[in-house]
Amino acid sequence: GQQVMQIPQYQHVQEGEDFTTYCNSSTTLSNIQWYKQRPGGHPVFLIQLVKSGEVKKQKRLTFQFGEAKKNSSLHITATQTTDVGTYFCAVFDAGKSTFGDGTTLTVKP
Amino acid sequence: DTAVSQTPKYLVTQMGNDKSIKCEQNLGHDTMYWYKQDSKKFLKIMFSYNNKELIINETVPNRFSPKSPDKAHLNLHINSLELGDSAVYFCASSQVSRILSGNTIYFGEGSWLTVV
Repeated sequence: GQQVMQIPQYQHVQEGEDFTTYCNSSTTLSNIQWYKQRPGGHPVFLIQLVKSGEVKKQKRLTFQFGEAKKNSSLHITATQTTDVGTYFCAVFDAGKSTFGDGTTLTVKP
Repeated sequence: DTAVSQTPKYLVTQMGNDKSIKCEQNLGHDTMYWYKQDSKKFLKIMFSYNNKELIINETVPNRFSPKSPDKAHLNLHINSLELGDSAVYFCASSQVSRILSGNTIYFGEGSWLTVV
């Protein structure tokens, strides 16, 4: 099945700095999903990308799907303490979502 | 109303015991899942059921036995618990679509299992 690798595993930033997490695959992906899990919480769906080169924005969050559909990124502009958590990319294939290992973001006020 | 609810939220038990986690979804979805999240936050699928039928079993030890009495419920029974079973177990559901765009997974709040 389709698998994704996610980097970095951890990222610590000062409040107001930008943050980016990357998701890569050796194969062409049919779609990419992004989830956020707050500390002590459960993963919550953020967005789904399906088209080559697609870019979507949600307030300070920008999601991109690569032209070759083999990579994706989530960029947060001017992080806030409410952005802390683990961000997962996932690919839905063969009836299930396979998750990357996640990037855990901590934000220093 | 919680869309995907699972009980218990916390469970501390001794090695060798048998325990169950229950899950219910009120979203009308056809597909339900069990995911396991370890201490490093890696999230791995264990089982998937579609309309009460097992469709995915990701090489999970047979001490783990899921049961789906109807498409809104998916329970997980674990026999002879081991220390390595300590993890957070998430129930989830989705409405599997035939279109290529994939499906949103809705997670329950998790069941934190500690085996001592």
